[in-house]
Amino acid sequence: DAKTTQPPSMDCAEGRAANLPCNHSTISGNEYVYWYRQIHSQGPQYIIHGLKNNETNEMASLIITEDRKSSTLILPHATLRDTAVYYCIVRVVGAAGNKLTFGGGTRVLVKP
Amino acid sequence: GAVVSQHPSRVICKSGTSVKIECRSLDFQATTMFWYRQFPKQSLMLMATSNEGSKATYEQGVEKDKFLINHASLTLSTLTVTSAHPEDSSFYICSASVGLGGGAGSDTQYFGPGTRLTVL
Repeated sequence: DAKTTQPPSMDCAEGRAANLPCNHSTISGNEYVYWYRQIHSQGPQYIIHGLKNNETNEMASLIITEDRKSSTLILPHATLRDTAVYYCIVRVVGAAGNKLTFGGGTRVLVKP
Repeated sequence: GAVVSQHPSRVICKSGTSVKIECRSLDFQATTMFWYRQFPKQSLMLMATSNEGSKATYEQGVEKDKFLINHASLTLSTLTVTSAHPEDSSFYICSASVGLGGGAGSDTQYFGPGTRLTVL
């Protein structure tokens, strides 16, 4: 799986949009971009994933650049409960045995 | 939907004893389950991949005789830490993959809440 690069930490204000960048310049054509987050002492929570089109669900939006070498996770209205470590992962999809390789992630602190 | 549970959530045991951790997919059948370990201030590290009815595949450096994995049904996988030592103290997390019907969405991994193991 392609490696990803994320900033180690970032702060954002409660109520504002949080934009989390991820670089995956070596991504292959059959690799999807997945985002998970881990709140302290809990298991990771699935947020969203995409291949090349922008995606939106009830939690967040995922914007993938046209060349697919980077993406941005957008939390539209950050709350204090969004404080967590956010992981951007790229992986091949098609067989359930494909692994998730977690990097360091971005530690997001939402401040009042 | 896609809820995964783990039991127990926290366990303390004496050195040399064995501990079993259960991972269940509550509202879907999981053809594949994964076991991860996370030490303080570190990221998750995959330990093994288990498919229902077959032997688990362990990552390099993970002792298969120490970390026994059983995936006897499509909703249950167990991890047994045998002869536990203090260095096995960690946060153990499982995930389950739907793997049904093809398409990207069905392959998403959903995680349990984790089990914190402390070996005295």
